[in-house]
Amino acid sequence: AQKITQTQPGMFVQEKEAVTLDCTYDTSDPSYGLFWYKQPSSGEMIFLIYQGSYDQQNATEGRYSLNFQKARKSANLVISASQLGDSAMYFCAMREGHTGNQFYFGTGTSLTVIP
Amino acid sequence: EAQVTQNPRYLITVTGKKLTVTCSQNMNHEYMSWYRQDPGLGLRQIYYSMNVEVTDKGDVPEGYKVSRKEKRNFPLILESPSPNQTSLYFCASSSGQGGFRNEQFFGPGTRLTVL
Repeated sequence: AQKITQTQPGMFVQEKEAVTLDCTYDTSDPSYGLFWYKQPSSGEMIFLIYQGSYDQQNATEGRYSLNFQKARKSANLVISASQLGDSAMYFCAMREGHTGNQFYFGTGTSLTVIP
Repeated sequence: EAQVTQNPRYLITVTGKKLTVTCSQNMNHEYMSWYRQDPGLGLRQIYYSMNVEVTDKGDVPEGYKVSRKEKRNFPLILESPSPNQTSLYFCASSSGQGGFRNEQFFGPGTRLTVL
């Protein structure tokens, strides 16, 4: 079974609008961390936001927030007030506590911001 | 400047010709890892290392070797490359302190083509 599932291969959003990128995960470990990374067309991987399984509040970092629904095993990334520079691939990833060492990435979502 | 460096950035080679992709980090990170990125498959972990002389297999280790003789370096070795190893390769590192919430810092990537 896939550890991380991103079901939206491509998304479009109007500039200045908000967009939600979906991520579901599969683990039986009570301790885990969830990460989102951005990969612009230039290719580098940029860390955006982290959510721990025991964190009581949803993580936020500037215009990025994580809609963490533990019972549903989902960790959706919300980007508010989209900018043209947000056009990129976005990857959801998980690190499980019982190993703590292996990272699992999703297949990614390509986001295009339309002027 | 804190960074992860990889060399070479681009490499075209032929089947069976041994090659090494170097990775070095200057952040004194304990954890280092190699990934390959293929269209539609996201990033898949090849090998990782928690510290010097400690390495473990990720999801797709076949055809690859690694070593961790020094904390800062984590080379990826392809003893006998094959065309199915044509991919974009990323090295990453993270601190081992504070558990699994530490994000990974990625190198710029190495685009490998095996003919």
